Amino acid sequence: GAVVSQHPSRVICKSGTSVKIECRSLDFQATTMFWYRQFPKQSLMLMATSNEGSKATYEQGVEKDKFLINHASLTLSTLTVTSAHPEDSSFYICSASFEVTDTQYFGPGTRLTVL
Amino acid sequence: SQQGEEDPQALSIQEGENATMNCSYKTSINNLQWYRQNSGRGLVHLILIRSNEREKHSGRLRVTLDTSKKSSSLLITASRAADTASYFCATDTGGFKTIFGAGTRLFVKA
Repeated sequence: GAVVSQHPSRVICKSGTSVKIECRSLDFQATTMFWYRQFPKQSLMLMATSNEGSKATYEQGVEKDKFLINHASLTLSTLTVTSAHPEDSSFYICSASFEVTDTQYFGPGTRLTVL
Repeated sequence: SQQGEEDPQALSIQEGENATMNCSYKTSINNLQWYRQNSGRGLVHLILIRSNEREKHSGRLRVTLDTSKKSSSLLITASRAADTASYFCATDTGGFKTIFGAGTRLFVKA
């Protein structure tokens, strides 16, 4: 159990376009979902925390207008990278938590390449 | 900012040897977790150790936690080539916020 999926797994887009990444908890309801970014050979950096039905909480330095997060249901959160630029190229990973557990279950990640 | 620092940054060993990775952190924690990541893939949760625990085992994994030194170690015994991956510690300081360390890249030679 506790499977999290992400779609797409890879995306290549032109500079200036917007890209939407979906994160789904397949077999459980996730009150809280997290979005991370990971640059090559580096660690995961938390971008934002989203709770179902409320606005996401962004980490310092993360532009909320650039990285739009919507947690519309207990099984789906989306991250939209607006007006993407080459420096946004990265590996984006989501995770989801039950309400009362400490463990986060991670999705497989989405590789974004902006040309 | 990153809470955890791990050492070594990279570790290369022969199959069958043990691998030890260390993690240090800065602030008080509720728990500490270890994750594994194969290249270009998502994270796999390995083990969680709570702040009131000192040692935990799971198969070939052994994790220790020393809250007085703010450090943890992950030991993989009898390593296999398939253990080649990056290993991250992650700390939960409360409020559902998990902060990851820089990671150790382990390479196990067959």
